[in-house]
Amino acid sequence: DVKVTQSSRYLVKRTGEKVFLECVQDMDHENMFWYRQDPGLGLRLIYFSYDVKMKEKGDIPEGYSVSREKKERFSLILESASTNQTSMYLCASSLVRQPQHFGDGTRLSIL
Amino acid sequence: AQSVTQPDIHITVSEGASLELRCNYSYGATPYLFWYVQSPGQGLQLLLKYFSGDTLVQGIKGFEAEFKRSQSSFNLRKPSVHWSDAAEYFCAVGLNNNDMRFGAGTRLTVKP
Repeated sequence: DVKVTQSSRYLVKRTGEKVFLECVQDMDHENMFWYRQDPGLGLRLIYFSYDVKMKEKGDIPEGYSVSREKKERFSLILESASTNQTSMYLCASSLVRQPQHFGDGTRLSIL
Repeated sequence: AQSVTQPDIHITVSEGASLELRCNYSYGATPYLFWYVQSPGQGLQLLLKYFSGDTLVQGIKGFEAEFKRSQSSFNLRKPSVHWSDAAEYFCAVGLNNNDMRFGAGTRLTVKP
């Protein structure tokens, strides 16, 4: 069965810290995605990657960066965390032009 | 610009009643369309998808959706709702570059 694993379910960090969110998929999918989910706004795409070492900006990339050194792993980095980055973060993966499969999410709080 | 609209933020139905969740999209080409469900504290689970062909698609858990090109709609339906269907539902449109756009979601409450 399809499996997308996010390293943490809950995370609390302080303003100004560098934060890493990790995502691993075991399905050999080419595409991987990072979204943030906020009430009333649905899912907003931060970054996606369609191949190793490739990345594309989504709708809200400001304040974030990503890394994809291996096909199965896609990391989201908050270079200097701010309180407005408190949110639920969802990772997903997919084959080309196929439905995305989601992890269970990381609820991140920035104090 | 591509967009997905779910007009209903919150819907309440009685258990056993029928359900229809609305979704409208704005996209120049023929879209790929999806419905996902999210239970509290969980990620999104795919209910069904439309790529081409028959405009009435069947999904898991007894859900179906109908693609109506003339109305730019892809509404989700279920003939008889169960208490376990209480969740948040997201409509999404897939773009040619493998990207997706999601609606803001509809939260479903099921009354006993």
